[in-house]
Amino acid sequence: QSVLTQSPSVSAAPGQKVTISCSGSSSNIENNYVSWYQQFPGTAPKLLIYESYKRPSGIPDRFSGSKSGTSGTLGITGLQTGDEADYYCGTWDSRLSAWVFGGGTKLTVL
Amino acid sequence: EVQLVESGGGLVQPGGSLRLSCVASELTFTNFAMSWVRQAPGKGLEWVSGIGRSDGRTYYAHSVKGRFTISRDNSKNTLYLQLNALRAEDTAVYHCAKHGYSDNSGYLNSWGQGTLVTVSS
Repeated sequence: QSVLTQSPSVSAAPGQKVTISCSGSSSNIENNYVSWYQQFPGTAPKLLIYESYKRPSGIPDRFSGSKSGTSGTLGITGLQTGDEADYYCGTWDSRLSAWVFGGGTKLTVL
Repeated sequence: EVQLVESGGGLVQPGGSLRLSCVASELTFTNFAMSWVRQAPGKGLEWVSGIGRSDGRTYYAHSVKGRFTISRDNSKNTLYLQLNALRAEDTAVYHCAKHGYSDNSGYLNSWGQGTLVTVSS
């Protein structure tokens, strides 16, 4: 059971928009930054969003992040088949003194 | 961008030990906190352990506390994870990852490809 809660899967058509949510608590998301990671099968995760809404160099602006209270959200617009991957949220949990991840959301672009 | 290369994985019997290593290519390795993150077959990411930049502060997931030990040698740009008393549920690909800050509260902005640890008799 993950400390952060994500929906297991989400799907949308090419060109559409999708949001992936990440629910936590006051000991993690509410008082720390959220980051998001994209992972394709058999490869290492890749940082997509850091400090809740910032994009690393090279990440297209189709990807966006936000945070409100104890939840974070990843948004992806203009969906492409190449966006099909697993997406994970992560943050520091101050009560556990540990980094925590969500269970991951599998994105399918139909 | 920093390159992280893990090694040391393999097949080990339950109760056995392994030592994983992660070599960083960039000389600024010493400025950042590091972590180990594992992924069991078909499962999600699980953070295992982290270590601060240079103050020796270490952190562990409840599932590995008392069995795993993280350390780093900044002179060799190398991160280590000593795995003892291994269990079948420790079977996973172990990735090392670099934090964006000097402490472990920051995002993970570089990841290695991982090394596979299989615990089985």
